[in-house]
Amino acid sequence: ELKVEQNPLFLSMQEGKNYTIYCNYSTTSDRLYWYRQDPGKSLESLFVLLSNGAVKQEGRLMASLDTKARLSTLHITAAVHDLSATYFCAVDIRYSGGGADGLTFGKGTHLIIQP
Amino acid sequence: GAVVSQHPSRVICKSGTSVKIECRSLDFQATTMFWYRQFPKQSLMLMATSNEGSKATYEQGVEKDKFLINHASLTLSTLTVTSAHPEDSSFYICSARDLWGTQYFGPGTRLLVL
Repeated sequence: ELKVEQNPLFLSMQEGKNYTIYCNYSTTSDRLYWYRQDPGKSLESLFVLLSNGAVKQEGRLMASLDTKARLSTLHITAAVHDLSATYFCAVDIRYSGGGADGLTFGKGTHLIIQP
Repeated sequence: GAVVSQHPSRVICKSGTSVKIECRSLDFQATTMFWYRQFPKQSLMLMATSNEGSKATYEQGVEKDKFLINHASLTLSTLTVTSAHPEDSSFYICSARDLWGTQYFGPGTRLLVL
């Protein structure tokens, strides 16, 4: 069974600081997603990482994927209050073999950025 | 980007009634759609994989007779919660996969069973 572990699960930080959220998964997969969720809302897609070594950046967020280490990171640079949300990583099971399908999500990182 | 809609966005029903939720891919065809459930302050859990023209594949622990899934066309999947009970109250989110394998999520349906 695929396990996806995110840490930290809760993060309170000040504006202007940098931080990294980690996502470890237990089996091979070449496709990983990062999503943002605001309270009461559905998921907003941030990044799709498709191969080992993939790095994508959008504004103050940067995501990377190391399939050999089974690790993805989401790095926040010079955080601003608007980035406060819950962030999920999700591994695409279809790319891990075995015939299963769908996404397995981490537990999410609840991020609060204080002025 | 691709758009997925869900209807209704919110529903309140009495215990014992059935509720149907629709998921549509608006600008692309999706041979595969997925249904997820999210309880408050928890992550999303995959309930079932819906394939157009065939039976859905349910995850372990999800009752297929309680959560009926129909994927009658390449742009529509429906989830019917039969004989709903308060413990079925949750946020139900569908996703649709495009030809390139990317999943796009709908806005979700909040179900409250009284």
